[in-house]
Amino acid sequence: GAVVSQHPSRVICKSGTSVKIECRSLDFQATTMFWYRQFPKQSLMLMATSNEGSKATYEQGVEKDKFLINHASLTLSTLTVTSAHPEDSSFYICSALTGGSGELFFGEGSRLTVL
Amino acid sequence: DAKTTQPNSMESNEEEPVHLPCNHSTISGTDYIHWYRQLPSQGPEYVIHGLTSNVNNRMASLAIAEDRKSSTLILHRATLRDAAVYYCILRDSGGSNYKLTFGKGTLLTVNP
Repeated sequence: GAVVSQHPSRVICKSGTSVKIECRSLDFQATTMFWYRQFPKQSLMLMATSNEGSKATYEQGVEKDKFLINHASLTLSTLTVTSAHPEDSSFYICSALTGGSGELFFGEGSRLTVL
Repeated sequence: DAKTTQPNSMESNEEEPVHLPCNHSTISGTDYIHWYRQLPSQGPEYVIHGLTSNVNNRMASLAIAEDRKSSTLILHRATLRDAAVYYCILRDSGGSNYKLTFGKGTLLTVNP
């Protein structure tokens, strides 16, 4: 099946710094990618929809200036957590939409810990 | 997205069948029923999906009620690697909204 890869899988940073997480579709082109956040023992919460070549659409309550999303190519979307704080510590997961079948494939997730 | 209701948790024994139920009484005619599962510290994994007819694949079977207001994911022989959170999600096939909205899912525990 299609493969979606995230990098890094784990990152630890100091409070106030920015962290970039990459999401790549390895064997297909994805015009649309989605970013989710998951806190411990909770379900996935959709943060934003990323469309190649245009601005991301953010879900209600998600700060677009804090969570910067760039979808510059058909195989890469990035999520940058700016001025990270401990409450931003979470599991961030991306998914990519295949063009033909419209199926969604998920990355392995990236665990962010802000000290 | 239409809402789904699943039990919070279920338990099974290894090598026995598991039936995971999902209620979706407000399902619309264009909603597909999707199942994903999430193993600890991993992203969700596609399991199966269907519209009206029962579906089988190498991972599982999906039994859909005739009125489509409920469905059951069937794992024919549970293994320890099937221990995960299973999500039942409705996804509209009629529009361009492909995003998935996750509920709380069912935590499946498989006993050796």
